[in-house]
Amino acid sequence: GDSVTQMEGPVTLSEEAFLTINCTYTATGYPSLFWYVQYPGEGLQLLLKATKADDKGSNKGFEATYRKETTSFHLEKGSVQVSDSAVYFCALSDRGGSNYKLTFGKGTLLTVNP
Amino acid sequence: GAGVSQSPSNKVTEKGKDVELRCDPISGHTALYWYRQSLGQGLEFLIYFQGNSAPDKSGLPSDRFSAERTGGSVSTLTIQRTQQEDSAVYLCASSQDWIMDEQYFGPGTRLTVT
Repeated sequence: GDSVTQMEGPVTLSEEAFLTINCTYTATGYPSLFWYVQYPGEGLQLLLKATKADDKGSNKGFEATYRKETTSFHLEKGSVQVSDSAVYFCALSDRGGSNYKLTFGKGTLLTVNP
Repeated sequence: GAGVSQSPSNKVTEKGKDVELRCDPISGHTALYWYRQSLGQGLEFLIYFQGNSAPDKSGLPSDRFSAERTGGSVSTLTIQRTQQEDSAVYLCASSQDWIMDEQYFGPGTRLTVT
């Protein structure tokens, strides 16, 4: 079945540090890939997405590139801010399989200190 | 515009009682999804609706769980004879269509079974 594996946290960084959160996936079909973010006390928000190989999703300074050859979708940001502190979830929807549902990784807690 | 709303935001109930959780999707969204977020299991898909039909109920954890959707809009998730392991945050999401990948999440209902 489909699965998503992301690096487990927590991750603690200083402001302006470089961020990478690794995410790899297994899918039976040809998935769309997503990063969702959950700020403290809030619901899940879509951060970025990519729907085909070599696509790059970007938003709010975050980027992730759909790498079919390595089945990866790593999240990066060049300079994190305190306001980026949140839980980040990698997810997929498998258009060749159960494409109506999202399969999530376990989430990575990011804390950014001033 | 208005996002996905859920009620109640918090629910504390005694073991063995029934609970109903409500979801109002974004207006015009035909697809609606229920997920559960718990510490042990992460984010799990429960059920999805296309219109008022639920083609896949396989994610429901037991026959104590049921869901319905009326008028292609509001959905209710019902848990009968609640157990402590049902304690979790129940998230609802909607998308414009089941083919559309982007799901928009509500703030969730935190259920605590004592």
